[in-house]
Formats: sequence, C-alpha cells, structure tokens
Amino acid sequence: SAVISQKPSRDICQRGTSLTIQCQVDSQVTMMFWYRQQPGQSLTLIATANQGSEATYESGFVIDKFPISRPNLTFSTLTVSNLSPEDSSIYLCSVDRQAGETQYFGPGTRLLVL
Amino acid sequence: SQQGEEDPQALSIQEGENATMNCSYKTSINNLQWYRQNSGRGLVHLILIRSNEREKHSGRLRVTLDTSKKSSSLLITASRAADTASYFCATVPSGGYNKLIFGAGTRLAVHP
Repeated sequence: SAVISQKPSRDICQRGTSLTIQCQVDSQVTMMFWYRQQPGQSLTLIATANQGSEATYESGFVIDKFPISRPNLTFSTLTVSNLSPEDSSIYLCSVDRQAGETQYFGPGTRLLVL
Repeated sequence: SQQGEEDPQALSIQEGENATMNCSYKTSINNLQWYRQNSGRGLVHLILIRSNEREKHSGRLRVTLDTSKKSSSLLITASRAADTASYFCATVPSGGYNKLIFGAGTRLAVHP
C-alpha cells in the first residue's frame, strides 16, 4: 500500500486566482496521477505526472490551466489556474506500485471557487 | 472520458440485506477494479479482478466479470450501515495503458 497526504484539505478561492495542491507519498513511486471529481460525479483523470519529464495530459485538460510539477519520486503539485466557479471540485492524487494495478488515493482537496 | 456506466445510480437497503451493483465498460481491459468512497473523501481500493478471471471474493465482497458482455458486478453480502458509501468500478484498458478509467458510480445507503 501507500500513505498519501494532500495539502490543503480544502480551500475557498476567489475567481481569477490560482490554487496549488501538494501531494506527498510515504515512499518512492514512478507514476503519480491527478484526478478531478466534480460535484456528484465520478473521477476524471487530469494528467499523469512522471518524474523528470513533463506531465501527460488527458483530452480536455491543458498545461496552462493545470500545470503540474514532479520534482522527485515522492512529491507532486497540481496548480489550478485562473479559477472559475466551474473549477469547484475535489482534486485527488493517486499512485500505483505497479503499472496498471491498484491505485492508492490521497484524501482529496475540496475546492470551492466563489 | 468515462469508460462506462454503473447501475443502479443509487441503492437504498436495510442492514443485513445484500447489495448488488453493476458496471459496464466499452473497451478491452487488462483488469477491472472496485473502489469505495465515503462522503467525498479519498478512494479505498476494494478488489481487483483480471480479464482472465470470472469471479473473486474478499470477505463479504464478491465480484464477477463477464468479458463477453463487458460487464462486472459487485455483491456486498449482509450489509452494514458502515457500508454506506459510493462505489466505483474502474478499468485498465488493454494495450499498454496504465491509467484507470472510472465508471459513474453507485451511491449505496444502508439503513439500520
């Protein structure tokens, strides 16, 4: 398994600002994933964060809006830029120990944009 | 985009009853996984079933997989109030992908 922490756990932001979410894992992992969960909806993968290279974004998500850093094998950040009320969601990071196998999720960051 | 659908969208039962949730998907898969989410928090992995497996058990959980119909079911036996949560299936597509694609989820309410 893996122990994952996220900061902040929740935040309320004004439109036009940005929020950076941190994800810390208790041991080294190759892949880290960032998901968005809109209110009452399922999870949608935003991007896969690889250490030492640019993140791989899914269709509909762009680097300018969701820049990601992955400075080492235990840490990643997701920034949600130029916030609008439509960005109000839960953002979750996850890791897997083996590609395509079980993923372990952080507790999520609940974002409300006013 | 989401891989498929889950039904029912919501399920309300009494403690002690069994709960069955179904999941359908669209593409060939390496494996299918079930997760639980309590009150909008992080997801907890429940069980993984591979494409060459047809049934798997873990405690009170029973998962079946029918690759010909591209569907899976999760059965929770003798449900408890603590089982109240949202349940999601997620697939890993075949073809070298290592990402999860989630279904829409089922909200389960177990009443004492």
